[in-house]
Amino acid sequence: AQKVTQAQTEISVVEKEDVTLDCVYETRDTTYYLFWYKQPPSGELVFLIRRNSFDEQNEISGRYSWNFQKSTSSFNFTITASQVVDSAVYFCALRHQGGKLIFGQGTELSVKP
Amino acid sequence: DADVTQTPRNRITKTGKRIMLECSQTKGHDRMYWYRQDPGLGLRLIYYSFDVKDINKGEISDGYSVSRQAQAKFSLSLESAIPNQTALYFCATGVGDRSTDTQYFGPGTRLTVL
Repeated sequence: AQKVTQAQTEISVVEKEDVTLDCVYETRDTTYYLFWYKQPPSGELVFLIRRNSFDEQNEISGRYSWNFQKSTSSFNFTITASQVVDSAVYFCALRHQGGKLIFGQGTELSVKP
Repeated sequence: DADVTQTPRNRITKTGKRIMLECSQTKGHDRMYWYRQDPGLGLRLIYYSFDVKDINKGEISDGYSVSRQAQAKFSLSLESAIPNQTALYFCATGVGDRSTDTQYFGPGTRLTVL
């Protein structure tokens, strides 16, 4: 079965703190794709990153970084020096070839000034 | 201008009414999707379309219908709205291989059925 677990329902940090959002997935496929989306208070869903299962290279984009580890079936997302504008619900999602996009339940991040 | 637009952004209606939610895109993507988001249930796929002549049911299509009027337009209809269809509805477009595409979401339509 395909499944995405975001065990952290809510996280609260103070501005400038680093924060890591956890994502653990389950799949039997050897080829699959992982995604992160951001949903700010305004409600829209914003695509952040896509990672293919055959590419375990970690990625950094500004204050955002992603750590993909197949050995632990995890695709964690770290925000460095968090800002109030980072406050949002973050979704991790999984897709295998031919399958639908499966979302985790989301982690609500609150960054306080 | 936004690449994926949804209208209306908010709608309140009564049980039994027919409602249409519209989605249009300027991305030029062939694939389009409709999802609903409910607290605690995440996003669930309602319908998807690989092109104008290819429309498929998702996991929760009962009570909904869709129309792909053009590559850029994909509408979702609730034939007879009921309260448990109160949710946040998202349209998305897909780019890349059809089985592994990256999906880009619209701003959402918040629907309340009284």
